[in-house]
Amino acid sequence: AQTVTQSQPEMSVQEAETVTLSCTYDTSESDYYLFWYKQPPSRQMILVIRQEAYKQQNATENRFSVNFQKAAKSFSLKISDSQLGDAAMYFCAYRVLNEKLTFGTGTRLTIIP
Amino acid sequence: EPEVTQTPSHQVTQMGQEVILRCVPISNHLYFYWYRQILGQKVEFLVSFYNNEISEKSEIFDDQFSVERPDGSNFTLKIRSTKLEDSAMYFCASRDLGRDNEQFFGPGTRLTVL
Repeated sequence: AQTVTQSQPEMSVQEAETVTLSCTYDTSESDYYLFWYKQPPSRQMILVIRQEAYKQQNATENRFSVNFQKAAKSFSLKISDSQLGDAAMYFCAYRVLNEKLTFGTGTRLTIIP
Repeated sequence: EPEVTQTPSHQVTQMGQEVILRCVPISNHLYFYWYRQILGQKVEFLVSFYNNEISEKSEIFDDQFSVERPDGSNFTLKIRSTKLEDSAMYFCASRDLGRDNEQFFGPGTRLTVL
């Protein structure tokens, strides 16, 4: 069974600084997708960034980027120039082709003004 | 921009009562999902639905749960006899055909069972 592990239940970062959230996963598949979702206090699930396993290049979306290490089964999220609006729960998730999303337990990110 | 909608936003019910949670997926999407999140915990998969039938379900999705797409636009989750432990946020998601397409989540329905 696929599992997703987020070992940092909580992280904090000074505003304007950079923070990295960790995620590892376990799978026997070679073709899959990885995602980071943001969940603010409203509890809406907002897609931050996605990575296709068949792509070697790390995905970037403005201030958000990932470090995808396929052999190590690692998928970390880097947030640059942290802003107060980045404060939220962040969930790492995994999906094989047309199947369900499997989520990690989340990391609560606090931004210190 | 098209979005997934869910109603109601908050449902309060008594233990043992039936509830129906409603979702309107994005109109051209073909895969539909229900997830739940107990407060303070991770998001868990309940069921996926494609081509008018369940394609996968988790061990959480027991005989008390059912899903339906009654009219080609709505996608519903019914809990037949609610328990206290069913209190959670329930998210609907939908996805178009195509392996690269992502799931779009609705805003969720908060279910409180008293």
